Amino acid sequence: ETGVTQSPTHLIKTRGQQVTLRCSSQSGHNTVSWYQQALGQGPQFIFQYYREEENGRGNFPPRFSGLQFPNYSSELNVNALELDDSALYLCASSLMGMNTGELFFGEGSRLTVL
Amino acid sequence: DAKTTQPNSMESNEEEPVHLPCNHSTISGTDYIHWYRQLPSQGPEYVIHGLTSNVNNRMASLAIAEDRKSSTLILHRATLRDAAVYYCILRASTGANNLFFGTGTRLTVIP
Repeated sequence: ETGVTQSPTHLIKTRGQQVTLRCSSQSGHNTVSWYQQALGQGPQFIFQYYREEENGRGNFPPRFSGLQFPNYSSELNVNALELDDSALYLCASSLMGMNTGELFFGEGSRLTVL
Repeated sequence: DAKTTQPNSMESNEEEPVHLPCNHSTISGTDYIHWYRQLPSQGPEYVIHGLTSNVNNRMASLAIAEDRKSSTLILHRATLRDAAVYYCILRASTGANNLFFGTGTRLTVIP
């Protein structure tokens, strides 16, 4: 148990729809990052939020967006879903400035786009 | 971020030691070497990290080459629960607090 919880655990959407995934970070952690993991691949960094602002982004289009709330929980929003968006979406919490420290991952939300 | 190279898969017998190699020839002087593992149907979990010296914790040991261009994660006695994908990651000491994963090494533990 990492203390990082994600919801929903599984969901199915159709192409063109929008989806919101949620993450509660571990107590005391102020930074949340999101990753996309396609089948058989390692997780790919989407973006990171600190103090309610995005402060790092991977190679993902603008239709991937996020929010961080004052309690450090976070949302990942994906608009205009495409078939290739089918993946496991992972949330990780950490403490900003502790680049040598560990990231704590949730168990992920598995999204299927039909 | 500098790249790492790992074998796609390895096998080990239960209760035997396992040495998982990682090459990182372009590592910079301030990059830390991190290892995470991902058990089936779970998110990645931290295993160990180091900079220059060898490191030990309750889960594993990390042996770092003197030139830092390679490292080895050592599981002293493999159990069935250690079957997972192991990722070797270089992490800058400053900047965004994120990780760049490769495809990792899939470890199979044979009973």
